[in-house]
Amino acid sequence: GAGVSQSPSNKVTEKGKDVELRCDPISGHTALYWYRQSLGQGLEFLIYFQGNSAPDKSGLPSDRFSAERTGGSVSTLTIQRTQQEDSAVYLCASSLGDPGGGYGYTFGSGTRLTVV
Amino acid sequence: KQEVTQIPAALSVPEGENLVLNCSFTDSAIYNLQWFRQDPGKGLTSLLLIQSSQREQTSGRLNASLDKSSGRSTLYIAASQPGDSATYLCAVLPQGGSEKLVFGKGTKLTVNP
Repeated sequence: GAGVSQSPSNKVTEKGKDVELRCDPISGHTALYWYRQSLGQGLEFLIYFQGNSAPDKSGLPSDRFSAERTGGSVSTLTIQRTQQEDSAVYLCASSLGDPGGGYGYTFGSGTRLTVV
Repeated sequence: KQEVTQIPAALSVPEGENLVLNCSFTDSAIYNLQWFRQDPGKGLTSLLLIQSSQREQTSGRLNASLDKSSGRSTLYIAASQPGDSATYLCAVLPQGGSEKLVFGKGTKLTVNP
């Protein structure tokens, strides 16, 4: 597509429920990133996929968080047993190639998650 | 560990004024630096991307400079308009294996009519 697409744009869930957030990157972009932005905070890195390499999961805050990327394209971020501190905007970005190529990131519009 | 700082945290100016937003980073080993704009409740829009070998990039009323050796970048906005009101984020892509953007906390700009 023309840009990075994220769905849903807004999600309200009850504490303890599982949620899935979807990201559809720009076609042909091999790198995909998930970030989280909590109210009044900066962007926090969560996970990075590059081609067929093992993902960099170093930013995931707990084992309740997981992500997968199917077929090198669409990615799903899953949060199990949601807690109120998970409330944030979850942003996905994609990039054409590896960082050494000097490619910039393109971000989606984000999913605003509210845990009540 | 790379750290990015943006000053000021907030800025309010009258319409028509030229202004400068500042960004500093602690490690000069970067691939590139990117400036983004974020409107309330929205995602990030890329404004300018400066490669480590470049000194500046321009797009319309925006000009971004990079001084890698001193760890500084500035975003210059000419003839500011109320529609420029947003949060501006600076991010660097470090070399050395981390392969992920490191963001500053942003400067919230308000341009008053």
